[in-house]
Amino acid sequence: SQTIHQWPATLVQPVGSPLSLECTVEGTSNPNLYWYRQAAGRGLQLLFYSVGIGQISSEVPQNLSASRPQDRQFILSSKKLLLSDSGFYLCAWSAPPVAEKLFFGSGTQLSVL
Amino acid sequence: AQSVTQLDSQVPVFEEAPVELRCNYSSSVSVYLFWYVQYPNQGLQLLLKYLSGSTLVKGINGFEAEFNKSQTSFHLRKPSVHISDTAEYFCAVSDRGTYKYIFGTGTRLKVLA
Repeated sequence: SQTIHQWPATLVQPVGSPLSLECTVEGTSNPNLYWYRQAAGRGLQLLFYSVGIGQISSEVPQNLSASRPQDRQFILSSKKLLLSDSGFYLCAWSAPPVAEKLFFGSGTQLSVL
Repeated sequence: AQSVTQLDSQVPVFEEAPVELRCNYSSSVSVYLFWYVQYPNQGLQLLLKYLSGSTLVKGINGFEAEFNKSQTSFHLRKPSVHISDTAEYFCAVSDRGTYKYIFGTGTRLKVLA
């Protein structure tokens, strides 16, 4: 069966520090991968998505970046965090060729102080 | 550009009354449509989906939604709600070609006794 792992669950970082959130999927090949940020009253904001290794589509211009170094690994990064980067980050995957149901990780609560 | 609009941020309704949660989308390409539900302190769960075929789709827990292409809408309905339906509901749209998957801002359904 397929599983998705996302870590860490919580993270407290000072302003200006770097960030690396990792997400891995097991039990499937060539998944579509997504990073979202969930905030109260704003729903799930799509940040990045990827349909293959090295293929990243960015939806929101900001100081975050994403990479997909391996088929089932998706990394969210920042060189210097801002206060506004605080939030709940969710990784998700879907099985091509049809992007039907999304399977979500358990999320990372990021607090930038 | 692809977008999803959920006009109602909160919907209070009495138990056993009918409810409709509205969702409109805009897209220049063919899309798939979804409703997800998030119960308090839980992850997102797929409620129902429209991929093709009949425009009336039935989901879990007695919910149904109707795809209206001319009005670009996908409203969610339930003829009689229960206290346990209290949750946040998210409409989502997936681009058939690029697999871009975006969500609306959510509607909080509060069922009153």
